[in-house]
Amino acid sequence: TQLLEQSPQFLSIQEGENLTVYCNSSSVFSSLQWYRQEPGEGPVLLVTVVTGGEVKKLKRLTFQFGDARKDSSLHITAAQPGDTGLYLCFGSSNTGKLIFGQGTTLQVKP
Amino acid sequence: NAGVTQTPKFQVLKTGQSMTLQCAQDMNHEYMSWYRQDPGMGLRLIHYSVGAGITDQGEVPNGYNVSRSTTEDFPLRLLSAAPSQTSVYFCASGGGDPWDYVYNEQFFGPGTRLTVL
Repeated sequence: TQLLEQSPQFLSIQEGENLTVYCNSSSVFSSLQWYRQEPGEGPVLLVTVVTGGEVKKLKRLTFQFGDARKDSSLHITAAQPGDTGLYLCFGSSNTGKLIFGQGTTLQVKP
Repeated sequence: NAGVTQTPKFQVLKTGQSMTLQCAQDMNHEYMSWYRQDPGMGLRLIHYSVGAGITDQGEVPNGYNVSRSTTEDFPLRLLSAAPSQTSVYFCASGGGDPWDYVYNEQFFGPGTRLTVL
């Protein structure tokens, strides 16, 4: 079974702190997507990365795709309460399936 | 564009009842999927479809049936509801070409909150 492993599963931090969430697999992905889900809503796309080593920035969020396209990270600088939510990674695997991680629940306390 | 619509938004069932959760998209996406999300947890894939007439099982298919007679619609049927099926159900659709391992952005519906008593 293919897996996308996310870590950590839960994270509770104070406003202003930095954090990094990881998404790892033994599979190679043609692309990888990060989503954020806020309470009571469906997940919404944050970014798609497709090239090994690619770095994308979205305001205080920095996304990196591993050189071998097997892993990705999401770094948030100076977290704010509005960043609270469930962060999910989805990957287009080389076996044809769209697979996803279990999610990282982030709570940012004011 | 309405995106992905789901009905109903809320539903309460008694054990043993059956019902259909509706999902429709107007973006001409080939790939559609159903997930369930239990409180405080991540998503679990129930069934998915890579095009009209083609469906396959996900991680937790037992107790659920799907069909895909058109590109737009992907209903999820609960055959005989059980309390363990109490959850929030999300339908999603995405562009790209699943046959070529290309999955573009997934658009999620607003969810159906189901309680089985």
